[in-house]
Amino acid sequence: GAGVSQTPSNKVTEKGKYVELRCDPISGHTALYWYRQSLGQGPEFLIYFQGTGAADDSGLPNDRFFAVRPEGSVSTLKIQRTERGDSAVYLCASSSKYNEQFFGPGTRLTVL
Amino acid sequence: AQKITQTQPGMFVQEKEAVTLDCTYDTSDQSYGLFWYKQPSSGEMIFLIYQGSYDEQNATEGRYSLNFQKARKSANLVISASQLGDSAMYFCAMREANRGGNKLTFGTGTQLKVEL
Repeated sequence: GAGVSQTPSNKVTEKGKYVELRCDPISGHTALYWYRQSLGQGPEFLIYFQGTGAADDSGLPNDRFFAVRPEGSVSTLKIQRTERGDSAVYLCASSSKYNEQFFGPGTRLTVL
Repeated sequence: AQKITQTQPGMFVQEKEAVTLDCTYDTSDQSYGLFWYKQPSSGEMIFLIYQGSYDEQNATEGRYSLNFQKARKSANLVISASQLGDSAMYFCAMREANRGGNKLTFGTGTQLKVEL
């Protein structure tokens, strides 16, 4: 079946604007993760969903970041009042077992 | 807090040779898991191999094997018979079971270049 998909692949926005990044997990995967990867670094955990609920949002950097997964499938990461420091690749992963996490291609966010 | 250390920012290997990418980890958990991912220049994270802390055998997947030394807290990736397509960034990551999920903590990666 299809892998994890993310849209858009690239997003350029201006400082202060609001953006939404979408993740469509592998069908049937109940666990969904968001990570952020800055240039030259490994991905850093942001938030984890089990079903519809955010079970662990300890990685969200501040209250400008929010994510939802209303029907337990597609998830949207929302960033308010974007800052230049938010520029990064945002990666989504999904899994159905503890020993796997399959990543999407990522959304490259550039804040000018 | 968990930590993953990859001490090799860059590695070179000749085609058809084997290469070992180092990874050490730090955790006080008894149950944990270690992942290796490949990230080509296209950016996608490709899952390669997984090793559970209670697994007695080293994990293998095709040309990839994981040299797991629990007492040393190391989980090195061995790639045999390197191919040009293996040139990429490689990340080691550790699974932390928390609140029912399995968030991953990643190292800083090793850039592998396979040469003719």
